[in-house]
Amino acid sequence: GEDVEQSLFLSVREGDSSVINCTYTDSSSTYLYWYKQEPGAGLQLLTYIFSNMDMKQDQRLTVLLNKKDKHLSLRIADTQTGDSAIYFCAESLSMSGGFKTIFGAGTRLFVKA
Amino acid sequence: GAVVSQHPSRVICKSGTSVKIECRSLDFQATTMFWYRQFPKQSLMLMATSNEGSKATYEQGVEKDKFLINHASLTLSTLTVTSAHPEDSSFYICSASGTGWDTEAFFGQGTRLTVV
Repeated sequence: GEDVEQSLFLSVREGDSSVINCTYTDSSSTYLYWYKQEPGAGLQLLTYIFSNMDMKQDQRLTVLLNKKDKHLSLRIADTQTGDSAIYFCAESLSMSGGFKTIFGAGTRLFVKA
Repeated sequence: GAVVSQHPSRVICKSGTSVKIECRSLDFQATTMFWYRQFPKQSLMLMATSNEGSKATYEQGVEKDKFLINHASLTLSTLTVTSAHPEDSSFYICSASGTGWDTEAFFGQGTRLTVV
């Protein structure tokens, strides 16, 4: 089946690191993504990782992928109040004629000053 | 990066009327467009996938006669919510991908529909 799960809420203090976790069930996913959604806005792609990679780092963001356990995480270093948002984990699945993206429920990150 | 424009950003309509939402890819040809619906504090739910020039593929549980999707050109897809009811009030988001761009789909800013 196609299912992506993530915890619904995370609270951290400004300056600390945030780690948002995600698990997925379909082992045929090709790409895995992290999106950020601020209130009332659309989705912003933060980063993505190809399924044959273990890690990807992009400035304050670090993505870790454990394909064996089907576990994906997003670490935000030096978390700022502007990072407060909902973070969606998503996987890309091949389908005839293209692909489709399945989303997790989103993790609401609350950063305390 | 590529830009996807979604219009309108907000719309209020009366129960029983129809509402059309447009999704345009501004600087690339979108061979595939996706329509999502997001309920408050919930995840995005894929409603349908449309390929240019062909009928949309709807996900299980999505009424195709209620949510009409047209993808007549490589830069425009529309979602029409027919005979809208208050339970159709939601945040609708489109995304678009082009040929060979299998690393990501670009998202519109979303449309908040309120049916009164």
